Amino acid sequence: EADIYQTPRYLVIGTGKKITLECSQTMGHDKMYWYQQDPGMELHLIHYSYGVNSTEKGDLSSESTVSRIRTEHFPLTLESARPSHTSQYLCASSDPTRGYQETQYFGPGTRLLVL
Amino acid sequence: DQQVKQNSPSLSVQEGRISILNCDYTNSMFDYFLWYKKYPAEGPTFLISISSIKDKNEDGRFTVFLNKSAKHLSLHIVPSQPGDSAVYFCAASLYGQNFVFGPGTRLSVLP
Repeated sequence: EADIYQTPRYLVIGTGKKITLECSQTMGHDKMYWYQQDPGMELHLIHYSYGVNSTEKGDLSSESTVSRIRTEHFPLTLESARPSHTSQYLCASSDPTRGYQETQYFGPGTRLLVL
Repeated sequence: DQQVKQNSPSLSVQEGRISILNCDYTNSMFDYFLWYKKYPAEGPTFLISISSIKDKNEDGRFTVFLNKSAKHLSLHIVPSQPGDSAVYFCAASLYGQNFVFGPGTRLSVLP
């Protein structure tokens, strides 16, 4: 069973506000990911990290930024929220030492609504 | 262009019968395949996986079949239970990199 946490679970916020979505894992996984998912659509990778001080942009362009100062923590920040940012944000982590059998474990997600 | 496809957006099955969820992929280099289950307002939960060197992997009621020549995999759930009602995502990766997810299939198991 994976231990990965996201807060808040739900967030309703006005346009222009700065928000930070928190993600923490207690498994010591080096790799962490942020996905964005709209209802009925596939998961789109927006950011990932191979370890501390490593961050990369994913396949889907996003105005959000991430940081990785500690192994267990991978927060995502939106400097100025817009209605187009309304979506579900999913954080995941994986253990790269498993090689090709690496499995991603997901947090419960944050459902964001920007008014 | 989707590298991982799940052509059935939804599937309804009677309780106790078999559920078969299908997934097709385009990249023959993928070497690891996973199925995730997702309830509304929750994150995906890892269900079962299969490496490209196998053609079948079984875990309780769940069995995944891989047909590499057809670039096709399927998830069988037997017997289906109402609690299995969820969205099922197929995912593929290449040596732990570049996880690609399909759009999901919504399974409804009817009592």
